[in-house]
Amino acid sequence: DIQMTQSPSALAASVGDRVTITCRASQSISRFLNWYQQKPGHAPNLLIYETSSLESGVPSKFSGSGSGTDFTLDISSLQPEDSATYYCQQSYSMPYNFGQGTKLEIK
Amino acid sequence: QVQLVESGGGVVQPGTSLRLSCAASGFTFSSYAMHWVRQAPGKGLEWVAVISHDGNIRNYADSVRGRFTISRDSSKNTLFLQMTSLRADDTAVYFCARARLPDTELDYWGQGTLVTVSS
Repeated sequence: DIQMTQSPSALAASVGDRVTITCRASQSISRFLNWYQQKPGHAPNLLIYETSSLESGVPSKFSGSGSGTDFTLDISSLQPEDSATYYCQQSYSMPYNFGQGTKLEIK
Repeated sequence: QVQLVESGGGVVQPGTSLRLSCAASGFTFSSYAMHWVRQAPGKGLEWVAVISHDGNIRNYADSVRGRFTISRDSSKNTLFLQMTSLRADDTAVYFCARARLPDTELDYWGQGTLVTVSS
């Protein structure tokens, strides 16, 4: 099975800042890497698919990059509503494992 | 619009069974693979199972293989998760989710149903 490791597990940033979340796969997954945002009490919401494609309706402040085993999610111009937990997920091979999540707090 | 509505959660004792349902609407259900994902209280997301659009291919997480069965009834646009031999560590919110074609990212999710396994 492919294991997904995110870093950091948590971070705090200020309004207007830019942050980067990293996701590493235990083996190459090509570009089959997705990012989700989850707010407390809600279902996850797809942000980015296939490494860098922005899901419809998601603001362009979210961007993704990478390939192989190393991927990043960048969030610019942070706003209070960006406070959430972010998960990566590989869809290269079953099981479609998730990373452990990164909790983002907006100070 | 696409809607996924889970039901069937509740409080059950260890060793018992429960069947979850996910009613789908707003899209051609028989064309899409469907997944179950769960989230234990205060924990991250755990992928549970997938079924292909035609029901012929199923995959499971090691943690549930042999105890859970995913199925679908395309005549009723409904996805199921039959859970047996439930354990305390199966306690979680269970989400159903649609996989965008052919079977990659999960683009629509239900609101989840809570399963609590406790004596």
